Amino acid sequence: EPEVTQTPSHQVTQMGQEVILRCVPISNHLYFYWYRQILGQKVEFLVSFYNNEISEKSEIFDDQFSVERPDGSNFTLKIRSTKLEDSAMYFCASTSSYEQYFGPGTRLTVT
Amino acid sequence: ELKVEQNPLFLSMQEGKNYTIYCNYSTTSDRLYWYRQDPGKSLESLFVLLSNGAVKQEGRLMASLDTKARLSTLHITAAVHDLSATYFCAVDGNDMRFGAGTRLTVKP
Repeated sequence: EPEVTQTPSHQVTQMGQEVILRCVPISNHLYFYWYRQILGQKVEFLVSFYNNEISEKSEIFDDQFSVERPDGSNFTLKIRSTKLEDSAMYFCASTSSYEQYFGPGTRLTVT
Repeated sequence: ELKVEQNPLFLSMQEGKNYTIYCNYSTTSDRLYWYRQDPGKSLESLFVLLSNGAVKQEGRLMASLDTKARLSTLHITAAVHDLSATYFCAVDGNDMRFGAGTRLTVKP
């Protein structure tokens, strides 16, 4: 069964460093999303992406964040200068219609 | 701004009992989702409700949507231990807003 994959599963970085989180959505899906979940809290929408451009973004998704689909398979989230409060699980999701399929997540730890 | 409220936030129930989780939201939307999350895991899609009056059932779980009341319910019938998890509702407005989650513990 097709699934969304994410790498790395865990990333540790120092404050101020740039990180790139990678996702491979399900191959025939057209809509892609990034979410984050701070430990023990609710899931927060970051950004949606369709047709090679951002379709919606939340107030969390400020200038420190960017997304890219560099080739036909990968979908990346870049955080330019990480802060301690960026520590969270980051989930990628994709869909072809309504049901979103979530990847396993990347745990980002900023020290 | 779209707000999504779930209650209860914590639910401890005995096996075999029934219970309902409620999800209220603040603005008009025709798409509501229910997800399950096990500790340390990702989100698993349970139901997608797309219209007023929609009802979907899978095993011991049944979800319904009343768009006029801006309310969705997730009903658990004859709970079993395997249903222990956190359940989130999410509403698709201009972006996807999640409720705070209901942490369900089913005890023998």
